Amino acid sequence: AQSVTQPDIHITVSEGASLELRCNYSYGATPYLFWYVQSPGQGLQLLLKYFSGDTLVQGIKGFEAEFKRSQSSFNLRKPSVHWSDAAEYFCAVGVKEYGNKLVFGAGTILRVKS
Amino acid sequence: EPEVTQTPSHQVTQMGQEVILRCVPISNHLYFYWYRQILGQKVEFLVSFYNNEISEKSEIFDDQFSVERPDGSNFTLKIRSTKLEDSAMYFCASTEGENTEAFFGQGTRLTVV
Repeated sequence: AQSVTQPDIHITVSEGASLELRCNYSYGATPYLFWYVQSPGQGLQLLLKYFSGDTLVQGIKGFEAEFKRSQSSFNLRKPSVHWSDAAEYFCAVGVKEYGNKLVFGAGTILRVKS
Repeated sequence: EPEVTQTPSHQVTQMGQEVILRCVPISNHLYFYWYRQILGQKVEFLVSFYNNEISEKSEIFDDQFSVERPDGSNFTLKIRSTKLEDSAMYFCASTEGENTEAFFGQGTRLTVV
């Protein structure tokens, strides 16, 4: 079955420190990959997406992610975290062969300490 | 910037009552979706809709659920007889084409009491 794993439920980083949020997926086909961010009580905002081409993609708010097919991973990174980045981050995968739906990971809650 | 709009933002309903959650997708989008997120859990796919019919639905989307596009702009999710476990945040999303970026609404928080 299709699955998306975000192994870290919570991550705490200091403001100004670097960040990496992990995402692994399990699919037989080539996936489309997304990272969304959700602030408390809010909707889902797209940070970045990968469809094809360059495996290092840039997103909004200084985030980037790298698709590694050999590791079935799409980790999210930011070189310097700001307090406003505190939120929950969801990795999501879409696979054309399985329809247009997105399958989400369980999310990683990011806390930023000053 | 175009956006997906959902109403209401909050809905409280009594168990057994029918609720209709409304969404206005982005105007040139052709594919529409409902997802839900039970508090503290992951976002789960409910249903996708294209060309005026359901294209895929999950196990969650049982006979109590239905979707409709009653006119050229609205996309609704109806829960016929709500249960306590239907309490969740419901997100509407739309895409322009197959496997393109999904735009999500701000969600409707449904509380069944």
